[in-house]
Amino acid sequence: AQTVTQSQPEMSVQEAETVTLSCTYDTSESDYYLFWYKQPPSRQMILVIRQEAYKQQNATENRFSVNFQKAAKSFSLKISDSQLGDAAMYFCAYRSPAAQKLVFGQGTRLTINP
Amino acid sequence: EAQVTQNPRYLITVTGKKLTVTCSQNMNHEYMSWYRQDPGLGLRQIYYSMNVEVTDKGDVPEGYKVSRKEKRNFPLILESPSPNQTSLYFCASSPGVSGANVLTFGAGSRLTVL
Repeated sequence: AQTVTQSQPEMSVQEAETVTLSCTYDTSESDYYLFWYKQPPSRQMILVIRQEAYKQQNATENRFSVNFQKAAKSFSLKISDSQLGDAAMYFCAYRSPAAQKLVFGQGTRLTINP
Repeated sequence: EAQVTQNPRYLITVTGKKLTVTCSQNMNHEYMSWYRQDPGLGLRQIYYSMNVEVTDKGDVPEGYKVSRKEKRNFPLILESPSPNQTSLYFCASSPGVSGANVLTFGAGSRLTVL
């Protein structure tokens, strides 16, 4: 079974700085999808970014980008120019092509210091 | 507005008192799923449904029931709630079961069982 590990329960960063959240996963599959979700205090789960494993190019969405290392099974999220609104719990998730579920990591709570 | 609606958002109940958390989506999605979120564990799947009248167990189905009589609705039933079911619950849906499909989440339901 696939597993996802986020080894940083908490992170903090100064406003306008850059922060990287780590995620590793374990799988024997070659094709899959990886996601980062943001959960602000409102508890809503918001998709931040998605990466298809067959694509070598790292996904980017405005200030959010990933460093996808398939061989190392690593999928980190980089947030540039951090803003107060980025403060949230961030979850890394994995999904197989035909799987019936997302497998989530434990989450990383990100604090932005003004 | 395309959305997944859960009710109630907050509920405090007592051990053994049956309750239902409703979930409805207006996007004509085939796939629906329930997750529970607990500190340090991320989100774990309880049950899922690939279409009307088709449901199956996720990773933590004990103590829960579901039904899918209509495409838009996927209620979660706790027949005899226990304190270990105190959690934050999310309903989610997607157009299909392919891993390429992005899940849309409801706003979450905070359940406390005394």
